[in-house]
Amino acid sequence: LAKTTQPISMDSYEGQEVNITCSHNNIATNDYITWYQQFPSQGPRFIIQGYKTKVTNEVASLFIPADRKSSTLSLPRVSLSDTAVYYCLVANFNKFYFGSGTKLNVKP
Amino acid sequence: GAGVSQSPSNKVTEKGKDVELRCDPISGHTALYWYRQSLGQGLEFLIYFQGNSAPDKSGLPSDRFSAERTGGSVSTLTIQRTQQEDSAVYLCASRVGAGGPFGTQYFGPGTRLTVL
Repeated sequence: LAKTTQPISMDSYEGQEVNITCSHNNIATNDYITWYQQFPSQGPRFIIQGYKTKVTNEVASLFIPADRKSSTLSLPRVSLSDTAVYYCLVANFNKFYFGSGTKLNVKP
Repeated sequence: GAGVSQSPSNKVTEKGKDVELRCDPISGHTALYWYRQSLGQGLEFLIYFQGNSAPDKSGLPSDRFSAERTGGSVSTLTIQRTQQEDSAVYLCASRVGAGGPFGTQYFGPGTRLTVL
């Protein structure tokens, strides 16, 4: 199963768009990509999931290139409440690998 | 509605003792997952239950770890002869449907285990 790699941390300012990229060079054909958000002392919370191309929901977009070796979570116009750790998950039916997480710090 | 609940929220034990961690999934969710999160680290997959099927145990870190799910609902993760490296937050998640990677896993708040 694909091993995932993410930047350890990122800084941003309120109102900016933030893009967090996860590398998964060995992703398999039946693997899906999911992103989660985690606040301190809480369990992760689902943000978005995709297989290829682009997926958008009310909170984020997910961009996956044709080779699927990476994925980018895009958060539009972040606010202070978006300060959290963001994890990418590459998974198939019985194996689940989370990345080490990217700590996003949104500044006023 | 009620989310995933875990108990206890905190557990302090002495090295060599056995511990049991409990997870109550969301009612009707057929898939249940256990993860471990060490301090400042990402989530490590441990085990996955889907309905009444035999679980995939390949993620369990050693034979001191075991898990069961009774009646397709409540799950217990047992760690025998605990070691200091077992100290972590143990997270449980559940989801509706056929399991696998699709859709949302709903996570509980976790059990923080400290082994002295």
